[in-house]
Amino acid sequence: GIQVEQSPPDLILQEGANSTLRCNFSDSVNNLQWFHQNPWGQLINLFYIPSGTKQNGRLSATTVATERYSLLYISSSQTTDSGVYFCAVRRVSWGKLQFGAGTQVVVTP
Amino acid sequence: EPEVTQTPSHQVTQMGQEVILRCVPISNHLYFYWYRQILGQKVEFLVSFYNNEISEKSEIFDDQFSVERPDGSNFTLKIRSTKLEDSAMYFCASSDPSGRALDTQYFGPGTRLTVL
Repeated sequence: GIQVEQSPPDLILQEGANSTLRCNFSDSVNNLQWFHQNPWGQLINLFYIPSGTKQNGRLSATTVATERYSLLYISSSQTTDSGVYFCAVRRVSWGKLQFGAGTQVVVTP
Repeated sequence: EPEVTQTPSHQVTQMGQEVILRCVPISNHLYFYWYRQILGQKVEFLVSFYNNEISEKSEIFDDQFSVERPDGSNFTLKIRSTKLEDSAMYFCASSDPSGRALDTQYFGPGTRLTVL
């Protein structure tokens, strides 16, 4: 099956800092989603981004499908950004999502 | 904004007991999924469901598991005889192939299953 690798595995940021999370995948995909898992375990949709660039407030994401990677940018981080960020990809329309292992982000005051 | 709901939020059961986890997908969605996440690990696919039948299942989804859409709104996951290793967070998801975001999967808040 398709391999999804996320880096770094852990990230500690001071409030106000910027950061970039990376997701590499081993094969072509037709869907890529970024999620934030909050401390209560809920998976929050951040972006549906099979290609191109999107922005939502302090977060933005870029997927370069031809090079099989996606980046998630967090700017001016806040303590509420803490949690695990997952990238998930899908090869077939409406098929299963394959998740990466996640990046654990801790934002300190 | 419509959302996927799941009940219960937390279930504790004894090994060998049957459990049913319930989900109410977003109302106009047609594809339904169950995933699980063992504590500290990544989210794993269990099963997908469309047009009242399983469209794909993983190797985890053995004969102990079953899914059902008993009416027009609920989607359930049954584990017939729970094992200790079934302890995990179970997520339901749904997607709408005609939606603006095409086949984005929307996840429920999860049911934390603890098997003692």
